[in-house]
Amino acid sequence: AQSVAQPEDQVNVAEGNPLTVKCTYSVSGNPYLFWYVQYPNRGLQFLLKYITGDNLVKGSYGFEAEFNKSQTSFHLKKPSALVSDSALYFCAVRDREGMNTGFQKLVFGTGTRLLVSP
Amino acid sequence: ETGVTQTPRHLVMGMTNKKSLKCEQHLGHNAMYWYKQSAKKPLELMFVYNFKEQTENNSVPSRFSPECPNSSHLFLHLHTLQPEDSALYLCASSPAGQAAYNSPLHFGNGTRLTVT
Repeated sequence: AQSVAQPEDQVNVAEGNPLTVKCTYSVSGNPYLFWYVQYPNRGLQFLLKYITGDNLVKGSYGFEAEFNKSQTSFHLKKPSALVSDSALYFCAVRDREGMNTGFQKLVFGTGTRLLVSP
Repeated sequence: ETGVTQTPRHLVMGMTNKKSLKCEQHLGHNAMYWYKQSAKKPLELMFVYNFKEQTENNSVPSRFSPECPNSSHLFLHLHTLQPEDSALYLCASSPAGQAAYNSPLHFGNGTRLTVT
């Protein structure tokens, strides 16, 4: 069965510094990987995905993520953090087990709170 | 505007009440989902409807009853809930079938439910 781990409950970074939010996964076969962001009192918003191709994926709001198959990781990164990036970030994975369901069967991590200080 | 609208945004109900949550999407999707979000826990998939047919029920207690009258609308009927059911309930939609696998989920802003 697939699973996702987000080892940090919270990440603190100063505005202007680079940020990394970690995600590791466990699947059988090739993974489909997603990052979502949740601002206070809002639903989850899609940031980026890895399906196949280049290991470095670029997404919304200047975020990018690097797929590393050997380390089974998909860390979210941004070169220069903004205070407005402060939010809850979720990593999610789908594997080939879910390919015949007819719907998007994702397994989500527990989330990492990003706090960017001025 | 997310394209997926949930009402109400907040709901407080007693354990003997009956209430319903509503979700509506205008994205032309044919799959709709109910998720439960509790603090410090992964999102829990509750129900999935594909083309109005329920295709997933993740061992959800019968006090939660979903309804999908058409591909644009989804309801979650609640009755005799417990305090531990207090959570944020999120609705999502996506394309169905093969198109689903590469597509992100589109979420509404959720209903914050408090059971007293």
